[in-house]
Amino acid sequence: NAGVTQTPKFQVLKTGQSMTLQCAQDMNHEYMSWYRQDPGMGLRLIHYSVGAGITDQGEVPNGYNVSRSTTEDFPLRLLSAAPSQTSVYFCASSPLAGNYEQYFGPGTRLTVT
Amino acid sequence: DAKTTQPPSMDCAEGRAANLPCNHSTISGNEYVYWYRQIHSQGPQYIIHGLKNNETNEMASLIITEDRKSSTLILPHATLRDTAVYYCIVRVAGRDDKIIFGKGTRLHILP
Repeated sequence: NAGVTQTPKFQVLKTGQSMTLQCAQDMNHEYMSWYRQDPGMGLRLIHYSVGAGITDQGEVPNGYNVSRSTTEDFPLRLLSAAPSQTSVYFCASSPLAGNYEQYFGPGTRLTVT
Repeated sequence: DAKTTQPPSMDCAEGRAANLPCNHSTISGNEYVYWYRQIHSQGPQYIIHGLKNNETNEMASLIITEDRKSSTLILPHATLRDTAVYYCIVRVAGRDDKIIFGKGTRLHILP
């Protein structure tokens, strides 16, 4: 299993540009989520999903869109990038039923100038 | 808001036991306590979890108080590689709740 994969690893955007951060998992996990981590800070939940076709907002959803058309993929879209969205973005997945930990991807480091 | 409170930082001498506290005074009866750690800028890594009994695995031990309002993660023989940020979270198994991380504890292992 590849686990949770994220692409790209690094990205630089100009203010106002849009882009999609990709996240995929091959463990058939129902629960997927996106977090952002600013320098020296903890993780903040952006959006999460409990299955294909179902998404919900986390702590800091503004400026981001998500969709979940398949169990495997959970892309995060920045509609109009702002410097305040400069951060490291982590995707995570876990089974929903039962009692299991979350598996995290390696992160995408995004800089908005 | 995170349901847990942790000290922002702690120091521990290499080779000694590192004891990381976590307060979760509003924990519900069906919520589990999970611990993760994040080394440098990598993705967080699962360490251990428990409901009410003490738990031990190859990485650490988890001690949960009888009233379940607090817990302690114990790294029995800390090494320099244990330098990381440690997060304590609570989660209901199998529920579709948000999983909220707090700011965690930055653990410094001193040589």
